[in-house]
Amino acid sequence: AQSVTQLDSHVSVSEGTPVLLRCNYSSSYSPSLFWYVQHPNKGLQLLLKYTSAATLVKGINGFEAEFKKSETSFHLTKPSAHMSDAAEYFCVVRNTGNQFYFGTGTSLTVIP
Amino acid sequence: EPEVTQTPSHQVTQMGQEVILRCVPISNHLYFYWYRQILGQKVEFLVSFYNNEISEKSEIFDDQFSVERPDGSNFTLKIRSTKLEDSAMYFCASSGQSSYNSPLHFGNGTRLTVT
Repeated sequence: AQSVTQLDSHVSVSEGTPVLLRCNYSSSYSPSLFWYVQHPNKGLQLLLKYTSAATLVKGINGFEAEFKKSETSFHLTKPSAHMSDAAEYFCVVRNTGNQFYFGTGTSLTVIP
Repeated sequence: EPEVTQTPSHQVTQMGQEVILRCVPISNHLYFYWYRQILGQKVEFLVSFYNNEISEKSEIFDDQFSVERPDGSNFTLKIRSTKLEDSAMYFCASSGQSSYNSPLHFGNGTRLTVT
């Protein structure tokens, strides 16, 4: 069975400091993993996806995520937070049956 | 870039009324989904649809809900008799078949308010 755990429901960082949003997954096989961002009153936008071609995945807006099989993690990072990064972030795993499982989300606050 | 479109953006209805939420998925996609998000809460899976039939549905998707792909382009979610607790943001999504890594593409959502 597949599942996703986002370890922090809220993360607060100062503008210009690094961002780390944690995600752990459970999967019986090599998973397909994604990060989505949702700005207030907006839809969900794909940030990046893990394709198994490379363990370090680069996404939009300077975000990256590293797939670590030994730790079953897919944490999202950004070297320097910007005010516009304040949003809700969702880690998602897809199974071979084309079902997508969402984490409960992490709300990122950026302090000026 | 092709996108998923949803209409209307906001729907207000009275309790007990029927509503139909409409979605136009990306044209070459084959897998279609409805999710909902109650204000301030997590994204919840409702139903997935493939090859003109439901492939999976959640406990939320009871007999009051139905989905249809009437004409090969639209994908609709119908709620037969709305309840106050149906008030939420409803997101349509589609996914391609080309690879296991094909992501979900979401529409901007329909905000349903049941009064």
